[in-house]
Amino acid sequence: GENVEQHPSTLSVQEGDSAVIKCTYSDSASNYFPWYKQELGKGPQLIIDIRSNVGEKKDQRIAVTLNKTAKHFSLHITETQPEDSAVYFCAAYSGNTPLVFGKGTRLSVIA
Amino acid sequence: NAGVMQNPRHLVRRRGQEARLRCSPMKGHSHVYWYRQLPEEGLKFMVYLQKENIIDESGMPKERFSAEFPKEGPSILRIQQVVRGDSAAYFCASSPDRDRTQYFGPGTRLLVL
Repeated sequence: GENVEQHPSTLSVQEGDSAVIKCTYSDSASNYFPWYKQELGKGPQLIIDIRSNVGEKKDQRIAVTLNKTAKHFSLHITETQPEDSAVYFCAAYSGNTPLVFGKGTRLSVIA
Repeated sequence: NAGVMQNPRHLVRRRGQEARLRCSPMKGHSHVYWYRQLPEEGLKFMVYLQKENIIDESGMPKERFSAEFPKEGPSILRIQQVVRGDSAAYFCASSPDRDRTQYFGPGTRLLVL
């Protein structure tokens, strides 16, 4: 079945710097890759997603890139702000198996 | 359009009791998914239901756990004879169909004493 690895597990950046979180997946049939942000005590909130027919997608300060050949995808947050501090999860979906999540990255943005 | 609703938000049970967790999907969504999250870990899929049917329960323990999504009313995740290891956050997500984005509720935090 699908296996999703996420790195790093923790990440600290200075306010205004960029943050990059990387994920790899094992199932070449996976075709949908969402990213979720989870704040303390809350449910995961979808922040951006990408499908396998696209290599990059951007939404204001957030972007996601996908390399199907290498089976990895990354989340890029530019001009980080303290409110970006949270746990971020990547996930992969093939249509045949349930959504599989990475173990999360705890991002701390230091003011 | 209200989001996914879950209740209760917090639930305390003693070992051996039953826990019933409820999930109301977003309006227009007929697909519901349940996930379990242990502290400092990711979300683990448990079960996927579509109105009145269990589509995939591959992530749900065979014993003590059951789920339903009746024609009317919320989806229910039921844990019988709870044990301390059942303590976790349980999240529900919904989508309008199988291949569309899943939106999560705020979760139910279960503590078994």
